[in-house]
Formats: sequence, C-alpha cells, structure tokens
Amino acid sequence: DGGITQSPKYLFRKEGQNVTLSCEQNLNHDAMYWYRQDPGQGLRLIYYSQIVNDFQKGDIAEGYSVSREKKESFPLTVTSAQKNPTAFYLCASSILGAAGELFFGEGSRLTVL
Amino acid sequence: KQEVTQIPAALSVPEGENLVLNCSFTDSAIYNLQWFRQDPGKGLTSLLLIQSSQREQTSGRLNASLDKSSGRSTLYIAASQPGDSATYLCAVSPPQFYFGTGTSLTVIP
Repeated sequence: DGGITQSPKYLFRKEGQNVTLSCEQNLNHDAMYWYRQDPGQGLRLIYYSQIVNDFQKGDIAEGYSVSREKKESFPLTVTSAQKNPTAFYLCASSILGAAGELFFGEGSRLTVL
Repeated sequence: KQEVTQIPAALSVPEGENLVLNCSFTDSAIYNLQWFRQDPGKGLTSLLLIQSSQREQTSGRLNASLDKSSGRSTLYIAASQPGDSATYLCAVSPPQFYFGTGTSLTVIP
C-alpha cells in the first residue's frame, strides 16, 4: 500500500541531545513537508522540499535541520538549539506541491525529559 | 499572509443529527481547499479536496462546498455517527498550505 511512514512513533530525548525523525514515502511525490503541531495551535511549517537536494525554511525552522538525498526520504533533525522541542511532528507529501492534494504520515511525538 | 479560521472550536451533537462545520480564509486567491480529519494522537486523513474551479465535492455522507468570493467553505456531515467524533481541519493553498486550528466534534450516542 502506498503511503507515508514516520518513525519512531514516540521518542524521548534528554536536553542537549539531537534526535532525528524519519519520514519515508512510496507515493512518488516530489514535494515533502514537516509540520509541528502543539495543543490549541494550528500546524506550523518547519521545512519543505520540492525536489531532491533542495529544501526551504518554513515559518519555524530555527533549531531544526533536514536533508533530501532521495526522493522518498525527508528526515528531520531536532537539534539541541531548539528551545521547546516537545511536540507532535507530522510529515506530509504532495505530488504537485501546493497545487496538489496533501497527504500525511501518522506523526511522531517527541518528549524532552 | 493567508489566515484560516474555523468556528466553532468545539461542537457536540447527538447521534443522527446533520451538522455543518465552517472554514473561512482571508485571501480568495486560492487553488485548492482541503478538508482533513484528525483522530487523537494520529496524523491527518484527507477527506475532500475542492479545486478552485469546483464549487463542491461529495464523499459518502460528507459534502464540502467552496465560495471563493466570500472566502468560505463548509463541510456538511449527514446523519452523524459516534465514529465521526474527531477534529476536522481545513487548509487552503497555494503558495503554501495554510491550516485552520480545527473544530473538535463529539457525536453523542
């Protein structure tokens, strides 16, 4: 079945550690996105990528980094510079960028201890 | 910048009732409007996509309409069921996807 797979589903991190969230899609979509969701707030865009080896910052990119070495993969690293990393992280993809339908993975919940 | 608003933030209805969820946006220069469903602790599931050339889309008991000129969309749910309980979000695009904060729906058996 085609879809977007995020892992891990739950992740605990000590302060000062970097963690990487995985996002893999087999939908053959060019565009991939990372969003952060906090209680009572809408989805906020962290980074997005329209093609391999290219990505752009979203509204809240500080403290995060990404790579896009393969079309199907878009991992997100939450660095120690991110001041408040505890949140629900959602990966999404679209075949036509913002002109297409958006599909989401199941999310990864990061908790900083 | 595009702003998307969903009112009410929460809604509770008895089973079997027909209901309408609202989504408004400030910039009418959109290409798509998409409705999603989110269950607690889960990702978003796409329900309906309305392109700017369309006025509505239907899927089963769901019907979504779009009025670009007034900056509004509605999601109509017919004969609501307890399994419809979830948060419903709308999003407009481009140049990015802009999301509302959602309406939390509870259908009481």
